[in-house]
Amino acid sequence: EPEVTQTPSHQVTQMGQEVILRCVPISNHLYFYWYRQILGQKVEFLVSFYNNEISEKSEIFDDQFSVERPDGSNFTLKIRSTKLEDSAMYFCASSEEGTDTQYFGPGTRLTVL
Amino acid sequence: AQTVTQSQPEMSVQEAETVTLSCTYDTSESDYYLFWYKQPPSRQMILVIRQEAYKQQNATENRFSVNFQKAAKSFSLKISDSQLGDAAMYFCAYRSGSQGGSEKLVFGKGTKLTVNP
Repeated sequence: EPEVTQTPSHQVTQMGQEVILRCVPISNHLYFYWYRQILGQKVEFLVSFYNNEISEKSEIFDDQFSVERPDGSNFTLKIRSTKLEDSAMYFCASSEEGTDTQYFGPGTRLTVL
Repeated sequence: AQTVTQSQPEMSVQEAETVTLSCTYDTSESDYYLFWYKQPPSRQMILVIRQEAYKQQNATENRFSVNFQKAAKSFSLKISDSQLGDAAMYFCAYRSGSQGGSEKLVFGKGTKLTVNP
């Protein structure tokens, strides 16, 4: 069964460094999402992406964040200058055109020291 | 803005018994979708069940079923014949179904389910 994959599973970085989180959505899906879950809190929407552009973003998704689909399979989230409060689990999700269900990857745990 | 409330931070159930997890939501939309996701200790988000608001029939997936009360804006999850592998955090989520509406999922805070042998 096709699934969303994410790499790395765990990333440790120093405050102020740039990180790139990678996702490979399900191959025939056209809608891509990033969500964040700070430890012990609920899952929060960051951004949605369709047709090579951002279709919606939350207040959390400020200028420090960017997303890109560099090729036909990868979808990335970049944090330019990480802060301590960026430490969280980051989930990528994808959905098929015309459907409502989002399928999640296993997440990347980001730790900012 | 839509909100999702899960009023039970923790629940426990004996193996083979039935448990119901509560979820209420607030929206002014008439067309939307509701989901339950399971998050085991591995922290992967796994879709358990989905419900379309325009369908009166409650969704069922094997041992998992929902009680969808649209007028009351309630969407509870019933797990029958609970198994040890059901132990996880369960998140209720809402998605707009309106044409041109938001595609994002709005999550509740979750309910931690413990299954006792």
